[in-house]
Amino acid sequence: AIQMTQSPSSLSASVGDRVTFTCRASQNIRSDLAWFRQQPGRAPTLLIYAASILQIGVPSRFSGNGSGTDFTLTINSLQPEDFATYYCLQDYSFPYSFGQGTKLEMK
Amino acid sequence: EVQLKQSGAAVKKPGESLKISCKVSGYRFTDYWIGWVRQVPGKGLEWVGIFYPDDSDTRYIPSFQGRVTMSADKSIDTAYLEWSGLKASDTAIYYCARHNYGGDYKWFDSWGQGTLVTVSS
Repeated sequence: AIQMTQSPSSLSASVGDRVTFTCRASQNIRSDLAWFRQQPGRAPTLLIYAASILQIGVPSRFSGNGSGTDFTLTINSLQPEDFATYYCLQDYSFPYSFGQGTKLEMK
Repeated sequence: EVQLKQSGAAVKKPGESLKISCKVSGYRFTDYWIGWVRQVPGKGLEWVGIFYPDDSDTRYIPSFQGRVTMSADKSIDTAYLEWSGLKASDTAIYYCARHNYGGDYKWFDSWGQGTLVTVSS
């Protein structure tokens, strides 16, 4: 099974900051990588799929990059609603797998 | 508008059975895989399995194989996740999600609101 490793596990930042998260796959997953944001008490919401395609309705401050085994999610100009937990997901091959999450906290 | 609406919270005792549901609307139910995801409160997301309503093709994560059953009723556009002998360790929130696709791409774009399952004696 493909293992997904996210870093850091937590991060402190302020409104207006720019932050970048990393996700690494244990083997080549091409660009079959998605990013989700999960706010407390809510279902995950899709931000990015195919590593870099912005989901319809997601603000342009979110961007994704990478292919193969190394991927990044960048958020420009953090907004209050962005303080949440972020997960990457590989759906290259079953069993699909999530990373363990990165919790973004307000400084 | 695509929507996935899940059944309400359930409280069960160990050994009891349970079937939770995910009713979809706004798209053709049989054309898309449905995934089920578990989240123990305060923990991360983990896959349970995926299910194709058109032909009932089913794939389970190994740790859930034999513990749960995925199914669907095509006549009412509803997917199910079922247990026959619940354990305390099954206590979690369970989400259903649609696996959309187009061209070379696929993505889990629409999610249910989640069903909290609590198993306690």
